[in-house]
Amino acid sequence: EPEVTQTPSHQVTQMGQEVILRCVPISNHLYFYWYRQILGQKVEFLVSFYNNEISEKSEIFDDQFSVERPDGSNFTLKIRSTKLEDSAMYFCASSNAGTDRTDTQYFGPGTRLTVL
Amino acid sequence: GDSVTQMEGPVTLSEEAFLTINCTYTATGYPSLFWYVQYPGEGLQLLLKATKADDKGSNKGFEATYRKETTSFHLEKGSVQVSDSAVYFCALKAAGNKLTFGGGTRVLVKP
Repeated sequence: EPEVTQTPSHQVTQMGQEVILRCVPISNHLYFYWYRQILGQKVEFLVSFYNNEISEKSEIFDDQFSVERPDGSNFTLKIRSTKLEDSAMYFCASSNAGTDRTDTQYFGPGTRLTVL
Repeated sequence: GDSVTQMEGPVTLSEEAFLTINCTYTATGYPSLFWYVQYPGEGLQLLLKATKADDKGSNKGFEATYRKETTSFHLEKGSVQVSDSAVYFCALKAAGNKLTFGGGTRVLVKP
């Protein structure tokens, strides 16, 4: 069964450093997402991406964050200058039908980011 | 804005017990409702969904019915197993792209 994959599973970085989290969505999906879960808190939407551009973003997704689909298979989240409060589990997801309210998003296993 | 409230855990049960996890929501528009499960060390997996009022989603012995009148989508399973130990997330999708999640409920099933 197709699945979303993410690398690395765990990333440790120093405050102020740039990190890139990588995702390979399900191959025939067109919509891609990033969510995060700070320890003990809710899973929060960050951004959605379709047709090589951001289709929706939350207020969390500020200028420190960017997303890219550098080739036909990968989808990346970059944090330019990490802060302590960026420590969280980051989930990538993909789906077929985007804004359709019945659309199902399929999630990867997550990348745990620890900022020291 | 949209929000999902689910019962706090942890919920501790014995094997073969009945499980209920309450979930209520507020949404602008007419949402679809989802339950996702996260097993230890793994990502979020779709467990079941319902897209309109009175629909029942079911999978792996779990069921949830979309109740528009009570804005609820409670998850139930008649006889849990140790392998059902996980964190369960209720979520909704209304207009736009994003899923809105509840806080998650940890379930621990003891043999």
